[in-house]
Amino acid sequence: DQQVKQNSPSLSVQEGRISILNCDYTNSMFDYFLWYKKYPAEGPTFLISISSIKDKNEDGRFTVFLNKSAKHLSLHIVPSQPGDSAVYFCAASGSGGSNYKLTFGKGTLLTVNP
Amino acid sequence: NAGVTQTPKFRVLKTGQSMTLLCAQDMNHEYMYWYRQDPGMGLRLIHYSVGEGTTAKGEVPDGYNVSRLKKQNFLLGLESAAPSQTSVYFCASSQHPPGTIPLLRGRRYEQFFGPGTRLTVL
Repeated sequence: DQQVKQNSPSLSVQEGRISILNCDYTNSMFDYFLWYKKYPAEGPTFLISISSIKDKNEDGRFTVFLNKSAKHLSLHIVPSQPGDSAVYFCAASGSGGSNYKLTFGKGTLLTVNP
Repeated sequence: NAGVTQTPKFRVLKTGQSMTLLCAQDMNHEYMYWYRQDPGMGLRLIHYSVGEGTTAKGEVPDGYNVSRLKKQNFLLGLESAAPSQTSVYFCASSQHPPGTIPLLRGRRYEQFFGPGTRLTVL
């Protein structure tokens, strides 16, 4: 059972426009969410995170929105740049106790066209 | 700082052979993780460690063993490789476990990943 779903395997946008990547989760115990970016032949790198006590977190061109009632989060990239072309993974975890596990989605390949 | 490094970068094995993948981190992190990534799949946790001398099973532990004899190193072993273990393996480390509450200002809770090891089992 896939607990973190990224339903769009790929997304293509024009340089300068907004990129919106979506992620849905099913486990109501998840309360911490991260986005990772991955270039080919490299390891994933952390991009931005959000705790369930917030509904928005910004870092430069990147903003993550969390809708807890819908169990949905999204990553907005504005403006998109060709260097943003990569696979983006959404990840989630619960808190406290012995919950050390990050559950990843399958990823969305973003292509930003010049 | 080198961050998280993995050795080797590539390896081809025959079915039944054994090998050990080495992960090293120089950030003095307590927590270390081994993941595998397969086409069309996200990263799946194989094993993890919450500190030197500890190991625990993740989501897909069968066919793998791990050891954490030193804080900076986390080894992943395949005793008898199978074609189903053909994958890209990523090691990661973090100072804190994910989702630690409360989230204190300035703390970083993300996992830092190595560049990966591409393993093919024939």
